[in-house]
Amino acid sequence: AQKVTQAQTEISVVEKEDVTLDCVYETRDTTYYLFWYKQPPSGELVFLIRRNSFDEQNEISGRYSWNFQKSTSSFNFTITASQVVDSAVYFCALSEAEDYKLSFGAGTTVTVRA
Amino acid sequence: DAGVIQSPRHEVTEMGQEVTLRCKPISGHDYLFWYRQTMMRGLELLIYFNNNVPIDDSGMPEDRFSAKMPNASFSTLKIQPSEPRDSAVYFCASSLEGANEQFFGPGTRLTVL
Repeated sequence: AQKVTQAQTEISVVEKEDVTLDCVYETRDTTYYLFWYKQPPSGELVFLIRRNSFDEQNEISGRYSWNFQKSTSSFNFTITASQVVDSAVYFCALSEAEDYKLSFGAGTTVTVRA
Repeated sequence: DAGVIQSPRHEVTEMGQEVTLRCKPISGHDYLFWYRQTMMRGLELLIYFNNNVPIDDSGMPEDRFSAKMPNASFSTLKIQPSEPRDSAVYFCASSLEGANEQFFGPGTRLTVL
């Protein structure tokens, strides 16, 4: 069963536009962890954020912000004032208590045009 | 601090040959994970270790795949014999504890002809 759904396959924006990436997850556990990773064209996977299921506080880090809503099982990611360097594939992932493997979504390819 | 180290970065081999991928986790990390990335299946876990002990190998495709972690600073993923469908990018990752963020190595791009 698909545990993490990223419905947007590709998003293309012009520089300085905001872009929001959707992530919907599915789990029966009450304790779980949500992650976002970035995969630039060079191919490495870069950790961006980790959230546990008991912390619904939204987070902002520079131009990045995350909105965690348990009521809708969503953990969305917004890039404000996008830049060309933000062009990458972004993955949302889930791990569950006592099962620490990451279940990844299919990824969203973000292209920021100058 | 050095991140997760993987070798080789690229491997091209012929069907039927044995392939060994290597990983050195971040020092002090108790968990080590092997993932595979393909266009068709995306990123999927193959196996993970805690304190050098395999915990979940349910993602290992078949008996042709094996993984070992002889000590806290080294792990191998072996494919014998390799097949063209094994072509993928193989990532190793490590984390301090199971629920913590996983830090990924640069990956090994494997091509089986």
